[in-house]
Amino acid sequence: DAGVIQSPRHEVTEMGQEVTLRCKPISGHDYLFWYRQTMMRGLELLIYFNNNVPIDDSGMPEDRFSAKMPNASFSTLKIQPSEPRDSAVYFCASSLDPGLGETQYFGPGTRLLVL
Amino acid sequence: QKEVEQNSGPLSVPEGAIASLNCTYSDRGSQSFFWYRQYSGKSPELIMFIYSNGDKEDGRFTAQLNKASQYVSLLIRDSQPSDSATYLCALSGDSSYKLIFGSGTRLLVRP
Repeated sequence: DAGVIQSPRHEVTEMGQEVTLRCKPISGHDYLFWYRQTMMRGLELLIYFNNNVPIDDSGMPEDRFSAKMPNASFSTLKIQPSEPRDSAVYFCASSLDPGLGETQYFGPGTRLLVL
Repeated sequence: QKEVEQNSGPLSVPEGAIASLNCTYSDRGSQSFFWYRQYSGKSPELIMFIYSNGDKEDGRFTAQLNKASQYVSLLIRDSQPSDSATYLCALSGDSSYKLIFGSGTRLLVRP
């Protein structure tokens, strides 16, 4: 298996622009997680899905952020409009069943810089 | 107070020594505890998880959990330079798969 795939790997944009991050989870994994990592705040969970349904979005910072999972093999995280404080590494992770201790497999991340 | 506390380090140990990484947490309802390793510029990868009080061993790694004292630790025996990385402690509650991460401890293993 190719693992969790994220695109783009790097994104540089200007404040006010829309940013869309993409994730393809490992085939067969029912859980998908979006994280954000910064030096100041560390690694934070933004939202997670189970069987394409959002379960917990309490980590989504504000209405500028939205996430969708239209099918089992694809998810997007959108920021509109983007701001410099959104600059971070965004990770997508997937898991078979975290309740059974199944590990969350992280993708390589998207490094976002908002100027 | 942050929910998960870790010393940022760096923790520097010589090759072959035991590295001891510690983590304390504030929520007594926390049920599951995880140690992730993250190399610079890379994504986190799970090393171990532990649910029950006591020790859990996997190769050179031992996780220790003490719920009464609200701490979890990771011991790395026979440390190797390749173990140099940031180690993230994480926990989850009883009814959620939401992981809460500490800020990580940077480990340096000197050859």
